[in-house]
Amino acid sequence: GAGVSQSPSNKVTEKGKDVELRCDPISGHTALYWYRQSLGQGLEFLIYFQGNSAPDKSGLPSDRFSAERTGGSVSTLTIQRTQQEDSAVYLCASSFASGTYEQYFGPGTRLTVT
Amino acid sequence: QKEVEQNSGPLSVPEGAIASLNCTYSDRGSQSFFWYRQYSGKSPELIMSIYSNGDKEDGRFTAQLNKASQYVSLLIRDSQPSDSATYLCAVERRDDKIIFGKGTRLHILP
Repeated sequence: GAGVSQSPSNKVTEKGKDVELRCDPISGHTALYWYRQSLGQGLEFLIYFQGNSAPDKSGLPSDRFSAERTGGSVSTLTIQRTQQEDSAVYLCASSFASGTYEQYFGPGTRLTVT
Repeated sequence: QKEVEQNSGPLSVPEGAIASLNCTYSDRGSQSFFWYRQYSGKSPELIMSIYSNGDKEDGRFTAQLNKASQYVSLLIRDSQPSDSATYLCAVERRDDKIIFGKGTRLHILP
C-alpha cells in the first residue's frame, strides 16, 4: 500500500477485555515497530520485528502485552485483560530494515479503556 | 543522562524568523539521526535524516550534526504558522535501536 495502515482507528473497551490492534506496513518494509503514546507524552517503544522475528521485546510493559507478525507483513498487537492505564494511542511504524533506515508511521489506534 | 534529550518548550518564534531546535544524545556510537514533526492528534511525520557531520538542507529545513559534541539540531527558516507542532529527535543507537526524544513544542507567532 501507499503507507502504513492501522486498524481500528479508535477502540473503546471495558476493563478486563482483550483487544487486538492491527498494523499493515509499507510493502517491502522488513522492519516493523510498535510504540505507545499517552496524552501529551513522548513515544514509548514497545517491540520491533525484523521479518517475523522480534529481536527486541524489551518495551512490552507486562505479560499482558504480546505481538506477532506473520508472512513478514501484517502485525497484531494483543493486550489481554486491559487496564485503564493501557489507554493511549498505539502507533506502528515500518522501515526497509532496522536501524539506519527512516521509519514511517501509521495513523495510530486510539485505545480507551473504561 | 537521558539517551536523547530535547527541551520540551514551548519555543515561541515570530512568523518569518528562524526556529532552532536542539537535541543531544548519549551514545557516541550513534550513526543515524532523524527529525520528525508531529501535529496535535496526528502521528509523527519524517522531516529529515542526517548521517554525516555538517549541514543538510531541504527547502526551509536544515539539519546540523556534530558527532564530537553529540549534538543534532534542526533549523526552520522563514517560519510559518503551519510549522507549529512538536518536533521529535530520533537517534539510532549502536545496537540499531531507534530512541526518540520527548519532543520540543514549537509555536510560531503570527
